Amino acid sequence: ILNVEQSPQSLHVQEGDSTNFTCSFPSSNFYALHWYRWETAKSPEALFVMTLNGDEKKKGRISATLNTKEGYSYLYIKGSQPEDSATYLCASCTGKLIFGQGTTLQVKP
Amino acid sequence: EADIYQTPRYLVIGTGKKITLECSQTMGHDKMYWYQQDPGMELHLIHYSYGVNSTEKGDLSSESTVSRIRTEHFPLTLESARPSHTSQYLCASSDGTRAWEKLFFGSGTQLSVL
Repeated sequence: ILNVEQSPQSLHVQEGDSTNFTCSFPSSNFYALHWYRWETAKSPEALFVMTLNGDEKKKGRISATLNTKEGYSYLYIKGSQPEDSATYLCASCTGKLIFGQGTTLQVKP
Repeated sequence: EADIYQTPRYLVIGTGKKITLECSQTMGHDKMYWYQQDPGMELHLIHYSYGVNSTEKGDLSSESTVSRIRTEHFPLTLESARPSHTSQYLCASSDGTRAWEKLFFGSGTQLSVL
């Protein structure tokens, strides 16, 4: 993998559903993996920065895991709420940050 | 809440005009960045600065220029705007000495060149 790839590109879920997204990144020269949440008309906001293989981070109903050996990270949202609707960006740091295209989540009430 | 501000939020301008996008932060961060994003695409780094009087070009070639005369201020200038410059421009800053410190973003400037 040469670039940072996120899947799916977009996702529509019902309120209360749990969901997850994937971020794939080059595993060589890895320093850190960032997750950001970007709500419409607002600034992107950092959710997590993970550096170690096996790292797990949690913030409320959102959690993330990191596998640096195989080059992927998962972001999980438990019991999605309409306010979770946003674009979720991941970025891999290999000395500089390379962003993926993002996963856009829409949570329907 | 991040203290990094961008103005204007939206800008519609004619071809050939000179424009400056403003970015200021009150957090005392040494590192500042400009990213460009086209619809449906990734954020691409176009300029960065690690301190006063330090500026570097990013990964994506850009006809814009930047300056860093004060720690808190990192403006981006286009001498002659063209329709190909239509894009969203995001300013960011970070603290610390490690390369992977999280970024604090401004709310962006959506530029449309007619």
